Amino acid sequence: GIQVEQSPPDLILQEGANSTLRCNFSDSVNNLQWFHQNPWGQLINLFYIPSGTKQNGRLSATTVATERYSLLYISSSQTTDSGVYFCAVPTGANNLFFGTGTRLTVIP
Amino acid sequence: SQTIHQWPATLVQPVGSPLSLECTVEGTSNPNLYWYRQAAGRGLQLLFYSVGIGQISSEVPQNLSASRPQDRQFILSSKKLLLSDSGFYLCAWGGRGSEAFFGQGTRLTVV
Repeated sequence: GIQVEQSPPDLILQEGANSTLRCNFSDSVNNLQWFHQNPWGQLINLFYIPSGTKQNGRLSATTVATERYSLLYISSSQTTDSGVYFCAVPTGANNLFFGTGTRLTVIP
Repeated sequence: SQTIHQWPATLVQPVGSPLSLECTVEGTSNPNLYWYRQAAGRGLQLLFYSVGIGQISSEVPQNLSASRPQDRQFILSSKKLLLSDSGFYLCAWGGRGSEAFFGQGTRLTVV
């Protein structure tokens, strides 16, 4: 089956720093989602990005489907950015398969 | 706009007791519905999905079952909980090939 790996697994940033999170997937996909899981466990949709680049405030994402990876950029990080970031891709039968996650801690 | 409701938010149940978690979606028709479990703070595992009323597909053999009695209602159940059923359960909805949205989750502790 498809493999989805994220890097780094853990990241600690000083508030105000920038970061790049990576998602590699083993098979071709027709869409990809990025989520932020906050400390209360809620999964918040960040981007639905099959290809190309999208931006939303301090966050942006780029998916290069032909090379099977996606990047999530966080600029000017804030403590509220802390949590776990997941990418997820669809598999054949209605399954949204999640990556391993990146745990981000932003310290003031 | 579409919204998804999941309850309860937290639940502590003794081993051997039954379980019923409910999820409802508003603002859409005939959605795909999903139950996921997160056991260790990262990594979501698909348990069940449904493409329509009464249609349930199981991804992982386990002590749980799911039902979809109405178009926008998805229920996760167990007749007798095990310690290993503890975890964070998330309901989600989405259209085929489109963006998925998650409920707020239920944190289940089996004692």
